[in-house]
This record gives sequence, structure tokens and C-alpha cells, in this order.
Amino acid sequence: EAEVAQSPRYKITEKSQAVAFWCDPISGHATLYWYRQILGQGPELLVQFQDESVVDDSQLPKDRFSAERLKGVDSTLKIQPAELGDSAMYLCASSLIPGGIYEQYFGPGTRLTVT
Amino acid sequence: LAKTTQPISMDSYEGQEVNITCSHNNIATNDYITWYQQFPSQGPRFIIQGYKTKVTNEVASLFIPADRKSSTLSLPRVSLSDTAVYYCLVAMNRDDKIIFGKGTRLHILP
Repeated sequence: EAEVAQSPRYKITEKSQAVAFWCDPISGHATLYWYRQILGQGPELLVQFQDESVVDDSQLPKDRFSAERLKGVDSTLKIQPAELGDSAMYLCASSLIPGGIYEQYFGPGTRLTVT
Repeated sequence: LAKTTQPISMDSYEGQEVNITCSHNNIATNDYITWYQQFPSQGPRFIIQGYKTKVTNEVASLFIPADRKSSTLSLPRVSLSDTAVYYCLVAMNRDDKIIFGKGTRLHILP
């Protein structure tokens, strides 16, 4: 069964350093999502791509976060500089069709710890 | 996007049927109800989705009354491996995103 791949699985970084996460969605899925999940809470959408275009980045802290999906396939989420409050699980998801009712397939996530 | 309310946590025992109720008082005509399951250190996984009455699959059943202001996820004969967080979501097919609340933390005891 096809899966969403993410790397690294775990990342420890110091405050003010740069960090990047990578996601490879299920083949053929045009819609890609990045979520942030703080411990004990549900995932929060950071950015949504349709192919290589950003559809929604209203919750992305643009002063330090950036996301790209240059060829409309895999994607990178970057934080620079990292802050203590960025410690969380970063989840990538993809779906075949955009739309809230369509199943999203999530990757295993990247657990970020900022010290 | 309709707001949902569900219990923060529930405990049950192996072999029991578990019912998790979700309230969505301001659900709109075109909204669908979707449930996701999340195990520790994993991403959420789609379980079931419905619009009205009853939907059943190999994992769960979803009961939706006529007024659609609430729904109930039913897990038959739970096992320890059903310990997870369960999220109730409401979304329209025209909405590009879904909003996760805090979910219901289900703990199955032996």
C-alpha cells in the first residue's frame, strides 16, 4: 500500500538554527498539506498545495516558516530561525482530490525538539 | 466550518462496544461527518465518513440521526490496540481544509 514518506523522523535543533523537513506524497496525489501538532492537541494546518501552487498558507508564520513544492511532487518545510515554541510534530498529508470531505493520507511525521 | 464537540477522554474494556458521540449543532446541509484515528507517534488515519443514517465498514459504524446535529462512532468489540485519539470532523466538499479539534482520547483496559 502506498504511503506518504517523511524525513527525518526526529530532529533536535538549537534555538535560532535553521531546520528543514521533507515530504514525498503518494504518487498521483496533487494536493499536499503540512500540519503542526502540539502535544495533546489536534493537527493544525500550516499550508496546502495544489500541484506546485500554494492554496492556503493563512496559518503559516511567514516570518520564519517557508514551504515549497517546486515540481508539484515532493515538498520541503523550513523553519529559520527555530524557536522553542516550534517544538511539535510536523505532519505531511496528501489527497487525490482537494476538498475537506476527501480522505487525507498522513505520513509518520517529524518530531522536532528545539533546545 | 461547523464546530464539533466531543468528550476529552473515555475508558473501556477489551471486548466491549465503544460509542463516541460528537456534537455538531451548526452543521450545514452540504457537510459530511468524518472520523480519523491517531495512534501515538503516528499521523491520523481516516476511519469512516457519513452524511446521514448509518454507515458501516470493516472498522466501525457511524450513526447519524435525522437532525444531523450529532453523530456516534461505534467501535465493536474493542481491543487494546484501539487505544488512540479519535477526531470528529465536519467538512463540505467545497472546503479545501478540515479542522481537527482535540479529539477523544480512548483508553482500552485489559
